[in-house]
Amino acid sequence: KQEVTQIPAALSVPEGENLVLNCSFTDSAIYNLQWFRQDPGKGLTSLLLIQSSQREQTSGRLNASLDKSSGRSTLYIAASQPGDSATYLCAVTSGTYKYIFGTGTRLKVLA
Amino acid sequence: GAVVSQHPSWVICKSGTSVKIECRSLDFQATTMFWYRQFPKQSLMLMATSNEGSKATYEQGVEKDKFLINHASLTLSTLTVTSAHPEDSSFYICSAQAPGMSYEQYFGPGTRLTVT
Repeated sequence: KQEVTQIPAALSVPEGENLVLNCSFTDSAIYNLQWFRQDPGKGLTSLLLIQSSQREQTSGRLNASLDKSSGRSTLYIAASQPGDSATYLCAVTSGTYKYIFGTGTRLKVLA
Repeated sequence: GAVVSQHPSWVICKSGTSVKIECRSLDFQATTMFWYRQFPKQSLMLMATSNEGSKATYEQGVEKDKFLINHASLTLSTLTVTSAHPEDSSFYICSAQAPGMSYEQYFGPGTRLTVT
């Protein structure tokens, strides 16, 4: 059974710092991995999707990498801003097309 | 493109009543839709997979008679919470998947259900 874990569970950093969020999964047979942002009381905003054949994806200040063999992905946020404060979720898709979500990282960027 | 809507965005109902939540794919046809539940400060848990024209597939531990799912068209799936109880209060999120889109799901904005 696929399990997805995110470390750290919570993170508080001063504005301007570069930071790394981690996502690990137990079964490396995935189709893709996707990073989302969720603001309190809101739905999901897709940030980056990495297909199994890809190693990384970039969008603006965000960079996500994928190492399938080791069951890991990282989300790198450059020059963090208070507006980046949110919960970040990773999710993997495998044989049944279902998304298995990670436990989430609650990020707070202090002004 | 790939927009998914949910209605209502929030609902309050009394214990024992039923409430219906709609999920619509606005600009694509979704052969498969998914329903998730999220409790406060927890991650999303898949409840069921809904395929157009067939019965939904429920995850282990989800009561199919309590959470009725109907996927009557390629753009609409509904979740009906029957005989709601306070413990059903949660944030319900749907997603839609179109064929040939690398299994990517597009998520609705969620529905906040409060049962009093």
